[in-house]
Amino acid sequence: AQSVTQLGSHVSVSEGALVLLRCNYSSSVPPYLFWYVQYPNQGLQLLLKYTTGATLVKGINGFEAEFKKSETSFHLTKPSAHMSDAAEYFCAVNTGFQKLVFGTGTRLLVSP
Amino acid sequence: DGGITQSPKYLFRKEGQNVTLSCEQNLNHDAMYWYRQDPGQGLRLIYYSQIVNDFQKGDIAEGYSVSREKKESFPLTVTSAQKNPTAFYLCASSADSPNTEAFFGQGTRLTVV
Repeated sequence: AQSVTQLGSHVSVSEGALVLLRCNYSSSVPPYLFWYVQYPNQGLQLLLKYTTGATLVKGINGFEAEFKKSETSFHLTKPSAHMSDAAEYFCAVNTGFQKLVFGTGTRLLVSP
Repeated sequence: DGGITQSPKYLFRKEGQNVTLSCEQNLNHDAMYWYRQDPGQGLRLIYYSQIVNDFQKGDIAEGYSVSREKKESFPLTVTSAQKNPTAFYLCASSADSPNTEAFFGQGTRLTVV
């Protein structure tokens, strides 16, 4: 069965610093991978997704993620954090059984 | 505008009551989902449906029931058998293809009083 592990329930950065949120997946078939963002008391919004093709995927709000099959990873990065990036981020995998499996989430805290 | 609408946004339930959460989508998606979110546990799948009049249990279906009589609607009933129903509930929909993303509603926060 597929699964997702997000390392670190909380990540703290200063405004302007690099953001790195880690995601590792387990799947017996080529996965489809997603990153979502959630602001307080709201639903989830898609940041970016990897399906096939280019392994470096660019998303909204300056985020990007790189699919590394050899490391079974799909880490999310942003070169320079903004205060507005403070939110909870979820990595998810879909291996074709019409179900998304989510990680437990990482809360990003941005300090001025 | 296309999207998913969940109602109500906040819901209070007394012990022993059943309550129904509404989810409507106008995206023409075949698949619909219900997730439960608790702090530190991510999103857990309750039920999902890939087609009208058919649905499958997810990982935590006990104490919940659903129906899918129309493509646009996928209501969730939280029954009195659900021992710890206080949580944030999210409805989502997607096209019937694994490489497409799910679209989420704004959620319903259910509190037992």
